[in-house]
Amino acid sequence: KAGVTQTPRYLIKTRGQQVTLSCSPISGHRSVSWYQQTPGQGLQFLFEYFSETQRNKGNFPGRFSGRQFSNSRSEMNVSTLELGDSALYLCASSPGAGGATTGELFFGEGSRLTVL
Amino acid sequence: SQQGEEDPQALSIQEGENATMNCSYKTSINNLQWYRQNSGRGLVHLILIRSNEREKHSGRLRVTLDTSKKSSSLLITASRAADTASYFCATGPTGGFKTIFGAGTRLFVKA
Repeated sequence: KAGVTQTPRYLIKTRGQQVTLSCSPISGHRSVSWYQQTPGQGLQFLFEYFSETQRNKGNFPGRFSGRQFSNSRSEMNVSTLELGDSALYLCASSPGAGGATTGELFFGEGSRLTVL
Repeated sequence: SQQGEEDPQALSIQEGENATMNCSYKTSINNLQWYRQNSGRGLVHLILIRSNEREKHSGRLRVTLDTSKKSSSLLITASRAADTASYFCATGPTGGFKTIFGAGTRLFVKA
């Protein structure tokens, strides 16, 4: 079974630009979560989607947005990039459930964004 | 804000020694998990312990959970150079849909 696939793996943007990152979850997984990882702030939760619905959102400005498609693939977008957005963006999938419990997360290798 | 806080922040040991990492958290949880991350890579799930469990083993890993103290510990026995990585605890809060990660412990195992 293929793992979580994130594209692109590396990208460089300049301030003010926007970026779209893609995540393909493990087949059959319906929940996709996004995290931002930086040396100073660690792993910060961005949002979680289940069956195309955003169930939870972290404390990030509105420049950060996401969506999930009917095939469970997910994208996140960051508009008007700032230097501080430079980070490793990690996507994780899980089978998901209708209830509130969370379980094991399967992570992709991440997309490393550098903002110049 | 982060839910879990690991202690110590960094740990350096010799191959063959045991490594113990601790995690404290703030709110009620459904479960607590430990993950490992090699430099710049994705995280790999190690073990999950539910809130009604006190101890769990998996190979060379032993995890304990004390919900009264809101703390957990991860013990890696007979460590190997290949165990060099960052280790994170993560909690699934009661009633939530998100898993919150701590700041991590960087483990360095010297051969």
